[in-house]
Amino acid sequence: GNSVTQMEGPVTLSEEAFLTINCTYTATGYPSLFWYVQYPGEGLQLLLKATKADDKGSNKGFEATYRKETTSFHLEKGSVQVSDSAVYFCALAQAGTALIFGKGTTLSVSS
Amino acid sequence: DGGITQSPKYLFRKEGQNVTLSCEQNLNHDAMYWYRQDPGQGLRLIYYSQIVNDFQKGDIAEGYSVSREKKESFPLTVTSAQKNPTAFYLCASRFDRVYTGELFFGEGSRLTVL
Repeated sequence: GNSVTQMEGPVTLSEEAFLTINCTYTATGYPSLFWYVQYPGEGLQLLLKATKADDKGSNKGFEATYRKETTSFHLEKGSVQVSDSAVYFCALAQAGTALIFGKGTTLSVSS
Repeated sequence: DGGITQSPKYLFRKEGQNVTLSCEQNLNHDAMYWYRQDPGQGLRLIYYSQIVNDFQKGDIAEGYSVSREKKESFPLTVTSAQKNPTAFYLCASRFDRVYTGELFFGEGSRLTVL
């Protein structure tokens, strides 16, 4: 069946450091891929998405590229801020099914 | 503003009591979902509904029940049969079951069993 695997956290960085959170998936066909962010005590917000191979999603300085050859959708940011501290979820969607989420990666950024 | 409203935000329950969590959306979405979130386990699907008067079990449906009498409403009942109900519950919706677009989430309801 379909699944999403993301790197275990927590990830602890200093402000202005480079961020990578790895995400790989297993799916038949051509799923859409997403990154969601969750701030403490809140619901999930869509951060970025990509709907086909080689698409790059980007938002608020975050980027992720849909790589079908490696079945990956790694999240990157060149310079993190304290306000980026949150839990990040990778997810995939296919028609007719609910979204499948990874277990989440907690990011903690210190000044 | 369009969105998803969950209530209550915090809820306390004694063991053996049923409790119902409300989820209302005004996005005109056909599909609605309930997820449970526990620390370190990510989001697990409880139930989902792709059309009014129809719903399907997700991965952890035991001890929960839902109804979908109206397009905009998808309440979740946590029954006394749910052995470990303390968790953060998230409701979400999507345009329709064919669309592979993103889910829109509510702010969540935190249930604590005393």
